[in-house]
Amino acid sequence: NAGVTQTPKFQVLKTGQSMTLQCAQDMNHNSMYWYRQDPGMGLRLIYYSASEGTTDKGEVPNGYNVSRLNKREFSLRLESAAPSQTSVYFCASSLGQGGGNTIYFGEGSWLTVV
Amino acid sequence: GNSVTQMEGPVTLSEEAFLTINCTYTATGYPSLFWYVQYPGEGLQLLLKATKADDKGSNKGFEATYRKETTSFHLEKGSVQVSDSAVYFCALSDQGYGNKLVFGAGTILRVKS
Repeated sequence: NAGVTQTPKFQVLKTGQSMTLQCAQDMNHNSMYWYRQDPGMGLRLIYYSASEGTTDKGEVPNGYNVSRLNKREFSLRLESAAPSQTSVYFCASSLGQGGGNTIYFGEGSWLTVV
Repeated sequence: GNSVTQMEGPVTLSEEAFLTINCTYTATGYPSLFWYVQYPGEGLQLLLKATKADDKGSNKGFEATYRKETTSFHLEKGSVQVSDSAVYFCALSDQGYGNKLVFGAGTILRVKS
């Protein structure tokens, strides 16, 4: 009963380093998302993929890139990490893009940039 | 643009007290509305949802009614338990904006025994 799995769970980076957050879902969902969570600001959408082969920017895409590797996997890359990217990152997925579709979240990845 | 405003916390209640967490929204279309819950150290879980006006979502004793006239989706529970301590997020998705969720800032609930 895995659902949405993301790795790593915790990571400390130095400013300027790069890293990739991995996400996979086993629910045969078409749409996948990356959010970041910051205190007092709820979750904000970084990038999303409506279907395999497509990606689009969300509310806060600067400093990030994504790859929809296949239907199951959607990775988030930080090319040159900055302290402002210290956050908790959540991957999510949904069956479709209709407004009533439930979005399922992973357990989160805690990233600290020093 | 679309936005969600929910009451600030933390909200601290005694066990068996009545809970209300206020949520209001602004949207250009006809959004679906959601409440998500986040327990300590975990991801978000869908608590309940409503997809059209006057719908009532309910789950685990929690309820919320989609009020279009007041653009609200307040979360209520008649008798809270210590295990309800968590962060609660109100969110909307607008058909005209795909299925991307817009979240409120979250409300921390602490229930004392």
